[in-house]
Amino acid sequence: GENVEQHPSTLSVQEGDSAVIKCTYSDSASNYFPWYKQELGKRPQLIIDIRSNVGEKKDQRIAVTLNKTAKHFSLHITETQPEDSAVYFCAASGHAGGTSYGKLTFGQGTILTVHP
Amino acid sequence: EAQVTQNPRYLITVTGKKLTVTCSQNMNHEYMSWYRQDPGLGLRQIYYSMNVEVTDKGDVPEGYKVSRKEKRNFPLILESPSPNQTSLYFCASSYDRGQPQHFGDGTRLSIL
Repeated sequence: GENVEQHPSTLSVQEGDSAVIKCTYSDSASNYFPWYKQELGKRPQLIIDIRSNVGEKKDQRIAVTLNKTAKHFSLHITETQPEDSAVYFCAASGHAGGTSYGKLTFGQGTILTVHP
Repeated sequence: EAQVTQNPRYLITVTGKKLTVTCSQNMNHEYMSWYRQDPGLGLRQIYYSMNVEVTDKGDVPEGYKVSRKEKRNFPLILESPSPNQTSLYFCASSYDRGQPQHFGDGTRLSIL
């Protein structure tokens, strides 16, 4: 089955700096890669996602890049703000015919702290 | 308002006493899923369903059962709960697999 590794487990930055979180996946059949943000005591919420036919996607201060050959994808947050402080999870989901079809496998999470 | 509703939000119970956590969505979503969240382990998928009467095991299905008799409901059943099932549980739904998932508010289970 799919295995998703996420690094770093904690990340501390100053307000205004950039933050990068990286994930690797094992199943080459995976084709959907969402990122979720979870604030303390709250539900996970989707912030951005990317599919395997795209190499990069941006939404204001957030971007995701995907390298299918290397089987890794990354979340980039620019001009970080204190309200970006949260736990971030990457995930991977496969397509029909793959062992991870229907499943959504998450990384272990990154605790991001943005200091004012 | 589009939402995924889980009940109960909190439950403390004892080993071996059967319990059910309900999940309901009002978005007519095909795909529903259950996850457990434990510190350092992220979210791990327990079971998922891609349609009515279609359910499949996720990565950690042992000790759990599910059913999907109606599109909107996807209950999680613990027939004989054990302390290692103490966790925070989330239900989620999406239009289809490979689509953004909407999560419920979570259910914190403590099994003594």
